Amino acid sequence: GQSLEQPSEVTAVEGAIVQINCTYQTSGFYGLSWYQQHDGGAPTFLSYNALDGLEETGRFSSFLSRSDSYGYLLLQELQMKDSASYFCAVRAPTGGFKTIFGAGTRLFVKA
Amino acid sequence: EADIYQTPRYLVIGTGKKITLECSQTMGHDKMYWYQQDPGMELHLIHYSYGVNSTEKGDLSSESTVSRIRTEHFPLTLESARPSHTSQYLCASSTGDRTNEKLFFGSGTQLSVL
Repeated sequence: GQSLEQPSEVTAVEGAIVQINCTYQTSGFYGLSWYQQHDGGAPTFLSYNALDGLEETGRFSSFLSRSDSYGYLLLQELQMKDSASYFCAVRAPTGGFKTIFGAGTRLFVKA
Repeated sequence: EADIYQTPRYLVIGTGKKITLECSQTMGHDKMYWYQQDPGMELHLIHYSYGVNSTEKGDLSSESTVSRIRTEHFPLTLESARPSHTSQYLCASSTGDRTNEKLFFGSGTQLSVL
């Protein structure tokens, strides 16, 4: 089977840096992605890592270590609007090309 | 921007009714998905499709069915709605490119079964 683990909640202050970790267990692996979801909204794509290393997109960066089955999302210069749920998701070949999501990390940004 | 649409946005219906949730995308994506999500919880994959005439069940057991007669259309049907079906249903599509997968989500259908 496949499973992903990420913290349920993280709290940080405006302007700070926060890291959201994700560990996964899958049979086969294509890549790790991150999605942001505000309350009442749909998930929106943030990043996708197929290879080891750090990918940077503006204030957000995502890291992957395939040997450790581990990745993280790094949010810099936190803003109040970053308060949302963040989901890591794995795309694996087992049973097809399914994308499986973690339980999500609720980020609270305080002033 | 993503062009994937779900209707209705909200639906309140009585037990035993048959319902169809609509999902359409104009991006020409082969792969489409249905996820179920309760408030503050994870997304559970209930159905997916590789392309026309292809449908597969996801990891979460569901009493719903899907069809994929056209590339752009992936409706989900509940033959007999029950209160346990109350949830948000999210439709998504992707190119399925292994090196850069990106799911585009619709706005979702919030279903309440009384």
